[in-house]
Amino acid sequence: GAGVSQSPSNKVTEKGKDVELRCDPISGHTALYWYRQSLGQGLEFLIYFQGNSAPDKSGLPSDRFSAERTGGSVSTLTIQRTQQEDSAVYLCASSFPEGGWTDTQYFGPGTRLTVL
Amino acid sequence: GQNIDQPTEMTATEGAIVQINCTYQTSGFNGLFWYQQHAGEAPTFLSYNVLDGLEEKGRFSSFLSRSKGYSYLLLKELQMKDSASYLCAVRDLNYGQNFVFGPGTRLSVLP
Repeated sequence: GAGVSQSPSNKVTEKGKDVELRCDPISGHTALYWYRQSLGQGLEFLIYFQGNSAPDKSGLPSDRFSAERTGGSVSTLTIQRTQQEDSAVYLCASSFPEGGWTDTQYFGPGTRLTVL
Repeated sequence: GQNIDQPTEMTATEGAIVQINCTYQTSGFNGLFWYQQHAGEAPTFLSYNVLDGLEEKGRFSSFLSRSKGYSYLLLKELQMKDSASYLCAVRDLNYGQNFVFGPGTRLSVLP
């Protein structure tokens, strides 16, 4: 079916506002990942979901960041009281982890967040 | 902890061969992935290695040595469209399903 989709593609917000980013994974993919990528930098892991549970939240930078996943499908990443250092591209990826190459992650196009 | 290292930038000429190295330190190694990322786009999967040796896939090959904590991506017959960042990512069983990505190598292919 369709690939991973994310919305919005671009978001400009004022410092202190809350934002919500959405990810629709590939149908049937049980694992979902959120990453952050600042300009010219590598990928920074934020959180991982297996089904609706998040066994690894170790990458969330602060308690202003939270994420949930419902129905084993759509996930939302919420950033409260945004700060300028939150400006980055937020990438979502999904996979169907059965071991080996099937763990390959498929990435969405990302949401470019700019905090003014 | 985990540490993945790649050269920051490389330059090569169209038609040439380039090798992009990746070194890693991990305690529960369970696979190494290479991704390609064009500017402004999402990463796309290139190759996967879990056993030592060379995996060939058209113009791209990837090599792994687990004992040395070392991998490389070999790109042959370079084309202008190969200008992109190349990300090395390691899966570590001690981190569950988590992957750790290297900083990426920005490759510029010149005419």
